[in-house]
Amino acid sequence: GAVVSQHPSWVICKSGTSVKIECRSLDFQATTMFWYRQFPKQSLMLMATSNEGSKATYEQGVEKDKFLINHASLTLSTLTVTSAHPEDSSFYICSAPMGRDYNEQFFGPGTRLTVL
Amino acid sequence: GQNIDQPTEMTATEGAIVQINCTYQTSGFNGLFWYQQHAGEAPTFLSYNVLDGLEEKGRFSSFLSRSKGYSYLLLKELQMKDSASYLCAAMDSNYQLIWGAGTKLIIKP
Repeated sequence: GAVVSQHPSWVICKSGTSVKIECRSLDFQATTMFWYRQFPKQSLMLMATSNEGSKATYEQGVEKDKFLINHASLTLSTLTVTSAHPEDSSFYICSAPMGRDYNEQFFGPGTRLTVL
Repeated sequence: GQNIDQPTEMTATEGAIVQINCTYQTSGFNGLFWYQQHAGEAPTFLSYNVLDGLEEKGRFSSFLSRSKGYSYLLLKELQMKDSASYLCAAMDSNYQLIWGAGTKLIIKP
């Protein structure tokens, strides 16, 4: 199947710093990518939909100025957590859909963010 | 509103069969997905149903009833490695996935 990579796989940073997470589709083009956040023992929560060539669509309650998304190309989307705080510590996962009607979604391996 | 319900936790014995149920309410419907997620890892795709009926794939089968807003994942010949969380997700009319909280499956020897 298709492969989606994320980098870094884990990151520890100090409070107040910014962290960039990359999501790449390695063998297919993705005009749309989804960014999720998952807290321990909870399900995935969709944060935003990243669209190549246009602005991202954010879910209600997600601060677009804090979570900057850039879909730079058909194979790369980045999520930047600006001025990170301990409550932003979470597991961030991206996915890229394929197929007609998006019936196939491929997930990246996730990025574990810990903010001290 | 949109909602997915599935049991929080289930326990089964190695070699046995377990059925994980999921009910959903969404604005429009474009399919029902099951994912497996081991602790600390991203979900991996198990199945996709958009038509009523049973889809069998090896030891795993998935069933959908659109009229009842109901699906189940059936795992046969359980192995210890099947211990994981199983996530049910329904795709709405905007092609977005609405996720359940996941069912933690514990396999005992």
